[in-house]
Amino acid sequence: EIVLTQSPATLSLSPGERATLSCRASQSVSSYLAWYQQKPGQAPRLLIYDASNRATGIPARFSGSGSGTDFTLTISSLEPEDFAVYYCQQRSNWPRDITFGQGTRLEIK
Amino acid sequence: QVQLVQSGAEVKKPGASVKVSCKASGYTFTSYGISWVRQAPGQGLEWMGWISAYNGNTNYAQKLQGRVTMTTDTSTSTAYMELRSLRSDDTAVYYCASVLGSSSSYDYWGQGTLVTVSS
Repeated sequence: EIVLTQSPATLSLSPGERATLSCRASQSVSSYLAWYQQKPGQAPRLLIYDASNRATGIPARFSGSGSGTDFTLTISSLEPEDFAVYYCQQRSNWPRDITFGQGTRLEIK
Repeated sequence: QVQLVQSGAEVKKPGASVKVSCKASGYTFTSYGISWVRQAPGQGLEWMGWISAYNGNTNYAQKLQGRVTMTTDTSTSTAYMELRSLRSDDTAVYYCASVLGSSSSYDYWGQGTLVTVSS
């Protein structure tokens, strides 16, 4: 099983600041990595797929980068609605053995 | 528009079984698969498995093998997830999700079904 490790566990920032979230895979997943945002009581929402592609309707302040084992989600200038939990997910052996990272909580400082 | 609508909350005793449904609309059901993902209270997301709505092929997470069964009813465009021999650590919100667009990632999700396992 491919293990995804997200860091930091919690990130405290203010609106307008830049957020950088990390996801590291235990072995290469090529570019088969997605990022999701989840708010309390809601299902996850797809933000980024295949490491760097924004999903439909996702604002340009969200960007993804990386390949192989190291990936980054960047939010260029935080809006109040961006404070949530973010998960990475790999699909290198789709449709089996899908795994998620443990999440990064982005909280208001 | 695409919708995945799940069945309501369940309370079960340890050792019992639960069957959660996910009714799809707004797309051709048999052209895509359905995955199930669960989330224990305050915890992260855990992939449970996938079923092809085209031919019923399944892939299950290894830790759930033998306890989980995923099925579909193409006549009603509904997917089902049954989990047996329930334990307290199966208490979670269970989501169905699907990859419908070109993203190859979960772009549509059900609203979630809370399953509580308690004596």
